[in-house]
Amino acid sequence: ELKVEQNPLFLSMQEGKNYTIYCNYSTTSDRLYWYRQDPGKSLESLFVLLSNGAVKQEGRLMASLDTKARLSTLHITAAVHDLSATYFCAVAWEYGNKLVFGAGTILRVKS
Amino acid sequence: GAVVSQHPSRVICKSGTSVKIECRSLDFQATTMFWYRQFPKQSLMLMATSNEGSKATYEQGVEKDKFLINHASLTLSTLTVTSAHPEDSSFYICSALLGANYGYTFGSGTRLTVV
Repeated sequence: ELKVEQNPLFLSMQEGKNYTIYCNYSTTSDRLYWYRQDPGKSLESLFVLLSNGAVKQEGRLMASLDTKARLSTLHITAAVHDLSATYFCAVAWEYGNKLVFGAGTILRVKS
Repeated sequence: GAVVSQHPSRVICKSGTSVKIECRSLDFQATTMFWYRQFPKQSLMLMATSNEGSKATYEQGVEKDKFLINHASLTLSTLTVTSAHPEDSSFYICSALLGANYGYTFGSGTRLTVV
């Protein structure tokens, strides 16, 4: 069974600071996704990571994937208040393309 | 981009009644649709996978007679919560796979409140 662990679960940061969210998973997969969720809303796709060593950047967010370590990171650079949201990583389960989600990281950026 | 339209966005129903949630793929054909539920401050939990023209596959612990899923066409999947009870109150989200390189697209979600 695929398990996805995400940490930290809650992150409070000052504007302008950097931080990293970690996502570990338990079995082989080469498809990992990062999503953002605002309160009361559905998921917004941030990154699609499909191979070992994949690195993608969008604005102040950068995601990477190490399939050998079964680890993905979401790095936040110079945080701004607008980044406050819940961030989920999700790993594709080989059988049937199911996604298994991490618990989510609640990010609060304080101005 | 590819969009999944989900309706209704919010519904309040009385205990014992049934509620139908629809998800339509607007500009692509969704062979497979996934249905999730999300309780407050929790992650998404997969309920079932629906495939066009065949029976849905339910995750362990999900009552198939309570959560009826129909995927009658390549653009429409429905989830019917039958004989709803307050504990069924949750946020329900559908999702479709766009392709391995493109990831998944999610509906806007349905907030179900059973009173």
